[in-house]
Amino acid sequence: LAKTTQPISMDSYEGQEVNITCSHNNIATNDYITWYQQFPSQGPRFIIQGYKTKVTNEVASLFIPADRKSSTLSLPRVSLSDTAVYYCLVGDYGGATNKLIFGTGTLLAVQP
Amino acid sequence: NAGVTQTPKFRVLKTGQSMTLLCAQDMNHEYMYWYRQDPGMGLRLIHYSVGEGTTAKGEVPDGYNVSRLKKQNFLLGLESAAPSQTSVYFCASSSRQLNEKLFFGSGTQLSVL
Repeated sequence: LAKTTQPISMDSYEGQEVNITCSHNNIATNDYITWYQQFPSQGPRFIIQGYKTKVTNEVASLFIPADRKSSTLSLPRVSLSDTAVYYCLVGDYGGATNKLIFGTGTLLAVQP
Repeated sequence: NAGVTQTPKFRVLKTGQSMTLLCAQDMNHEYMYWYRQDPGMGLRLIHYSVGEGTTAKGEVPDGYNVSRLKKQNFLLGLESAAPSQTSVYFCASSSRQLNEKLFFGSGTQLSVL
């Protein structure tokens, strides 16, 4: 599976847009990019998934350049409740590959 | 619909004791996973299963065993607990659909003294 690299931590203020970038230089043709959010004392929960270009849902947007060697999770107008760890996963899990490997994630701290 | 349920939520063991963590899902998912999470680190995959009666090793399988006798249950066993196994354990499940999202349980805090 492709290894991912994310910043260890990021700081932001309420109301700002936050962009978290994940590098995955050896992403394979069949790999999808998925982001999860984890609050303290809870299991991670799915945020968004994409293959190429841009994906948007009610929570976030995911930007994937043409070479797919990186991706950016964008959180619009963050609030204190968005303080969490964000994980980027890359793989074609559910098919031939089922080892879902999480990295260390990015700790986002939102301040008032 | 409870989703993924883990029992127990907390447990304290002495070195050398054994125990089993239970994960149950009611979503009819084919795939199930066990992860551990240590302070300041991400989740590391211990074992996983792609269906009833099948299991496979993940990143850190040593010291753990698993069984998937029923589709809805995935058991994680520690035969002889060690302090290095003090961690938070998370179970997750997903459907067989390509790239289907994971659903996680709320975790089990295990301390080995």
